[in-house]
Amino acid sequence: QVQLQESGPGLVKPSQTLSLTCTVSGGSISSGNYYWSWIRQHPGKGLEWIGYIHYSGSTYYNPSLKSRVTISVDTSKNQFSLKLSSVTAADTAVYYCARGNCGPSCGYFDYWGQGTLVTVSS
Amino acid sequence: DIQMTQSPSTLSASVGDRVTITCRASQSISSWVAWYQQKPGKAPKLLIYDSSSLESGVPSRFSGSGSGTEFTLTISSLQPDDFATYYCQQYNSYPWTFGQGTKVEIK
Repeated sequence: QVQLQESGPGLVKPSQTLSLTCTVSGGSISSGNYYWSWIRQHPGKGLEWIGYIHYSGSTYYNPSLKSRVTISVDTSKNQFSLKLSSVTAADTAVYYCARGNCGPSCGYFDYWGQGTLVTVSS
Repeated sequence: DIQMTQSPSTLSASVGDRVTITCRASQSISSWVAWYQQKPGKAPKLLIYDSSSLESGVPSRFSGSGSGTEFTLTISSLQPDDFATYYCQQYNSYPWTFGQGTKVEIK
């Protein structure tokens, strides 16, 4: 059974960089055609897809965040990471990591981490 | 971006009711829609993918249908565990986007 677990600071100061890591267990991040994603949910709001990384290193970022986002992968640790720069209070949200799966098309999320609340405040 | 619009935003229903949630896409997305259930303080859970494929382990009272721009999630007989918020999501084109959610409440 694949499991994902987010880790990282729960409090980030404005203008700084938010950094989160997702550790994958129960399966190799390098096997299969999966798109390891970050998704966030503002308090009481809907879901926003941030972007993905494939184990090959290919990435895609939501254009709304592209200038501030970097997603990377460390296959030796079975982890992938999110960096979001120049954060403001608008980036306060629960951040989820998730596995994007493929059938005839790719992009539905079958496994999710529990989520981690990141608050941007001085 | 493709906009996904769910209706209704809130739905009040009783145990045993048949419930239908609609999701409309701002442009055609073939059958590339997924549905998720989210309970307070929890991560979303995949219910349906490719518009009508039931995720393993999900009860058969959940079903999905549709193609093009209109999609539905149906719960054939609402159970106490089903009171939650439901989201649709398209993965036809980037960026992948979600609907705003439909909260299913106890009547």
